[in-house]
Amino acid sequence: GESVGLHLPTLSVQEGDNSIINCAYSNSASDYFIWYKQESGKGPQFIIDIRSNMDKRQGQRVTVLLNKTVKHLSLQIAATQPGDSAVYFCAENREGSGGGNKLTFGTGTQLKVEL
Amino acid sequence: NAGVTQTPKFRVLKTGQSMTLLCAQDMNHEYMYWYRQDPGMGLRLIHYSVGEGTTAKGEVPDGYNVSRLKKQNFLLGLESAAPSQTSVYFCASSYVIGAGRNTGELFFGEGSRLTVL
Repeated sequence: GESVGLHLPTLSVQEGDNSIINCAYSNSASDYFIWYKQESGKGPQFIIDIRSNMDKRQGQRVTVLLNKTVKHLSLQIAATQPGDSAVYFCAENREGSGGGNKLTFGTGTQLKVEL
Repeated sequence: NAGVTQTPKFRVLKTGQSMTLLCAQDMNHEYMYWYRQDPGMGLRLIHYSVGEGTTAKGEVPDGYNVSRLKKQNFLLGLESAAPSQTSVYFCASSYVIGAGRNTGELFFGEGSRLTVL
């Protein structure tokens, strides 16, 4: 079946270093991906999205790269800060019949920032 | 603006009991969703709604019912709770960009932790 998954369950980085969180997907027809951040005890929060007609998209301190050839995307966080400590999810968006968004989430990567 | 508000935040039920989770959003969003989150499994879509009076099944709809009588509210009901429904439930909403385009930017509530004994 189709899946969206992450390579590593936990990633530890030093404060100030760059972080790279990876995600693989299996459905070659997927055309829209989103990254979410979830802090402990809170709901997921949108970070950035990318559509399949792009290879790269940048936001504030974050960059998402999409490699459709190997069905892989990554989230890069520049100059990682303690406030970046959270679980990061990649999600694949499929539009529901009649509208709406049916997001399929990966299992998440726990990012730990060491001081 | 409060965004997406879920009530209650915590609830303990006995097997077979019923309950309703309430979700309210004040952003005038068209779409609303209910997800459940279990350890190691990410979030899974239970039901969603594309507008007032409409609902649709998601990935794991069995054992749940929903209603969207008002645009700002989306209710999730458990008619006969089972231990397998112990989870954290998240409500979310999203807006319409324009004709034929959706956004994957969902606005989530803080979650409702349900334990079924």
